[in-house]
Amino acid sequence: GQNIDQPTEMTATEGAIVQINCTYQTSGFNGLFWYQQHAGEAPTFLSYNVLDGLEEKGRFSSFLSRSKGYSYLLLKELQMKDSASYLCAVFDRGSTLGRLYFGRGTQLTVWP
Amino acid sequence: DTAVSQTPKYLVTQMGNDKSIKCEQNLGHDTMYWYKQDSKKFLKIMFSYNNKELIINETVPNRFSPKSPDKAHLNLHINSLELGDSAVYFCASSQGSGTRTDTQYFGPGTRLTVL
Repeated sequence: GQNIDQPTEMTATEGAIVQINCTYQTSGFNGLFWYQQHAGEAPTFLSYNVLDGLEEKGRFSSFLSRSKGYSYLLLKELQMKDSASYLCAVFDRGSTLGRLYFGRGTQLTVWP
Repeated sequence: DTAVSQTPKYLVTQMGNDKSIKCEQNLGHDTMYWYKQDSKKFLKIMFSYNNKELIINETVPNRFSPKSPDKAHLNLHINSLELGDSAVYFCASSQGSGTRTDTQYFGPGTRLTVL
């Protein structure tokens, strides 16, 4: 089966840095995605890692270690608008066509 | 200029009714998906279509039937609605055929409430 774990909730204050961890155990691995989902809205793409290492994109960075089955999303200079759910998802190409397996999401609350 | 659109945004109906949700993408993508997000926010794939052909059909009751009239549209019809069908249903699309890792883009969701 596919197992993707991330903390349920996190809180932080404006201007701070927060790291959201994700561990995965999947039968296959062809990349890891991070999505942001505000309440009542669609998930929106944040980042993608397929090789080990850090990918930086503005205030957001994502790290991947395939040998450890581990990723994190790093959010710097937090703003109130960053309050949202952050979804970790693993793409497994499988034997036919690939699919995304999502974790349950980490609800981040940013306080002033 | 909405990329992936869904209608309706909200759907409230009685148990036993039949309802449909429509999805359209104007990104020129080849693959479209239906996901279900339950009350615990767990997002799970239901179906995937590539160029109007059903590719992925997860363990979903037969009451759910997707239909793709063309590669820009993927509709979801649900028969004999049950209380447990209450959820948010998201449509998504991606560029490739699914054999490579492509970013999926999501529609705004349809919140279905079955009374």
